[in-house]
Amino acid sequence: DTGVSQDPRHKITKRGQNVTFRCDPISEHNRLYWYRQTLGQGPEFLTYFQNEAQLEKSRLLSDRFSAERPKGSFSTLEIQRTEQGDSAMYLCASSPGTLVLGNTIYFGEGSWLTVV
Amino acid sequence: AQSVTQPDIHITVSEGASLELRCNYSYGATPYLFWYVQSPGQGLQLLLKYFSGDTLVQGIKGFEAEFKRSQSSFNLRKPSVHWSDAAEYFCAVGAVNYGGSQGNLIFGKGTKLSVKP
Repeated sequence: DTGVSQDPRHKITKRGQNVTFRCDPISEHNRLYWYRQTLGQGPEFLTYFQNEAQLEKSRLLSDRFSAERPKGSFSTLEIQRTEQGDSAMYLCASSPGTLVLGNTIYFGEGSWLTVV
Repeated sequence: AQSVTQPDIHITVSEGASLELRCNYSYGATPYLFWYVQSPGQGLQLLLKYFSGDTLVQGIKGFEAEFKRSQSSFNLRKPSVHWSDAAEYFCAVGAVNYGGSQGNLIFGKGTKLSVKP
């Protein structure tokens, strides 16, 4: 069990550029989640996948954000035309199944985005 | 709507002293409750969780939490704090509804714990 892996850990980009983050979940975890955390706040839910299907998206996920999990394994989160308000830590998490069945959600180390 | 309130933004305790971090939730059904800890610049580590059964839950690193339905609370406790416990602590409720979310977590804003030598 190598844990949830995220790449890159830090990204500085100019406003208007596109950025992409990658997440590798714990092996055989069929659920994968993306959260965003700004300074002084708790993580906020963005979206989650069950295998390759994106089952829920938060209102925080504007049209500039897109997430994919093409083969039900790793996932990418792309932000197009970045804005300074996008500066945050993007957390990926995975779980072996639904919370209803008592499963735990495990978080990665996060990817820090700074938009200048 | 579900929500989590952590009333204390920052708490300072002396090493060896006891600790209690408060968490109140708003949720219509039986909640799934969690405490996570986050060191600076790091991801979140699960300390403990409550799904059902015994309302006193034991976790890692000597932490425990008690679910009190009448008070809508899930406070985190530790009898003797160590300097390495300095971190930010987040309480979360699992949002699981009919026809609604099937598994995301709603977090409080966190409580930062500082430990005095």
